[in-house]
Amino acid sequence: GENVEQHPSTLSVQEGDSAVIKCTYSDSASNYFPWYKQELGKRPQLIIDIRSNVGEKKDQRIAVTLNKTAKHFSLHITETQPEDSAVYFCAASKGGSYIPTFGRGTSLIVHP
Amino acid sequence: DSGVTQTPKHLITATGQRVTLRCSPRSGDLSVYWYQQSLDQGLQFLIQYYNGEERAKGNILERFSAQQFPDLHSELNLSSLELGDSALYFCASSVDTRQETQYFGPGTRLLVL
Repeated sequence: GENVEQHPSTLSVQEGDSAVIKCTYSDSASNYFPWYKQELGKRPQLIIDIRSNVGEKKDQRIAVTLNKTAKHFSLHITETQPEDSAVYFCAASKGGSYIPTFGRGTSLIVHP
Repeated sequence: DSGVTQTPKHLITATGQRVTLRCSPRSGDLSVYWYQQSLDQGLQFLIQYYNGEERAKGNILERFSAQQFPDLHSELNLSSLELGDSALYFCASSVDTRQETQYFGPGTRLLVL
């Protein structure tokens, strides 16, 4: 089955800095890669996703890149703000049932 | 608010007991997914239902079962509870099985004492 590795497990940055979270996946058939943000005790919220026919996608301060050859994808957050502090999960899934396999999560801490 | 609702929000029970968690998907969504989130195991897929039928199974224990009713709400039944079953249980829904995007409910926090 699919295996998703996510790094780092914790990321501490100063407000205004950029943050990068990286994930690798094992199943070359995976073609959908969502990113979720989860605040403490709350539900995971989809913040951005990318499909395998696209190499990069951007939404305001958030961007995701995908390298299918290397089987890795990354989340980039620019101009971080304290409200960006949360746990971020990457996931990989493929057509059929689109059941996602999640990474273990990255705890992002943005210091004011 | 994702439009997915879950009840109860919190549940405290004892080992050996049985509980039922309930989920109502977004209006129009036919597919429901159940996930367990614990500190040591992360976010794990349990089971998926589509329009009343089981579609996929993940790491679901035999003590756990689920169903989806004609009105599309779903219930997750957890029996013979153990301390290790304490976790957050999320339900998510999507339009159908071909739709990648899933919307998560607020979760049920289960504490087994």
